[in-house]
Amino acid sequence: DIQMTQSPSSVSASVGDRVTITCRASQGISSWLAWYQQKPGKAPNLLIYAVSSLKSGVPSRFSGSGSGTDFTLTISSLQPEDFATYYCQQANSFPRTFGQGTKVEMK
Amino acid sequence: EVRLLDSGGDLVQPGGSLRLSCVASGFTFNNYPMNWVRQTPEKGLEWVSAISGSGDSTFYVDSVKGRFTISRDNSKNTLYLQMNSLRAEDTALYYCAKNHVDPTGYSFRAFDIWGQGTMVTVSS
Repeated sequence: DIQMTQSPSSVSASVGDRVTITCRASQGISSWLAWYQQKPGKAPNLLIYAVSSLKSGVPSRFSGSGSGTDFTLTISSLQPEDFATYYCQQANSFPRTFGQGTKVEMK
Repeated sequence: EVRLLDSGGDLVQPGGSLRLSCVASGFTFNNYPMNWVRQTPEKGLEWVSAISGSGDSTFYVDSVKGRFTISRDNSKNTLYLQMNSLRAEDTALYYCAKNHVDPTGYSFRAFDIWGQGTMVTVSS
C-alpha cells in the first residue's frame, strides 16, 4: 500500500498568513493526488484534484503543486473560514490512501 | 442539487452484520464510480471500497476483503455496503463518496461529493 505522510500535523497561523502543507507518498503516484478540507462535524470537501486542479467554486487562494512523491497545498492568504483540517489522498492505485491530516489552528 | 444520503449505521455486536445504503440524487448515478470511506479519531480517513459505474468492478481494502461487499442498484440510484463478521475495529463513521468525473467521462479518482456519514459501532 502507498503511505501518505503529511507535515506538519498542525500549524498555528493568523488571518492573512501564507500556509503551506506538505504531503509525501511512499512511492511515485504520478499526478493522482487530491486535497480535502474538513471542518468539525462535516464530511470532507474536495479542494484540489490531479495535483493542481481547483474544484469549481473553491477560492483561488488555494493552490496545489508537486509531482512524483512530493506535493504541496498552499493557502496564499488565510481566511477565517479556512481554519480546518486538511488531508491529502493518493489515487494512483488501490487501496486509495489518505494522509493523517494537518490541522490549521488560529494563532 | 447533487446529493448523497447515507444511512443504515447502528450499534451491532461483534460478529454481526449490517447493510449501509447511500441514495444519490441530482446526477446520472450509473455514470459514476462510487466509494465508501470511513473515519475514526484514531486512524483518520480510510478508504474502504469502490465500485465502477456499471457495478462490474469492485475493490476493497485488505482489512475488509471477504467480509464486506459493495454493490449498487442503478435503477434505484442507490449504493450499498453489506458488512458481515463485524469487528470492534470496524467502528467508524462511514461515508459514501462519488468520484469526480469530467464531462468527457474522465475520472479523476478524487471524491467530489460526500454523504453526511452514518455511524457504525461494533460492541458487545
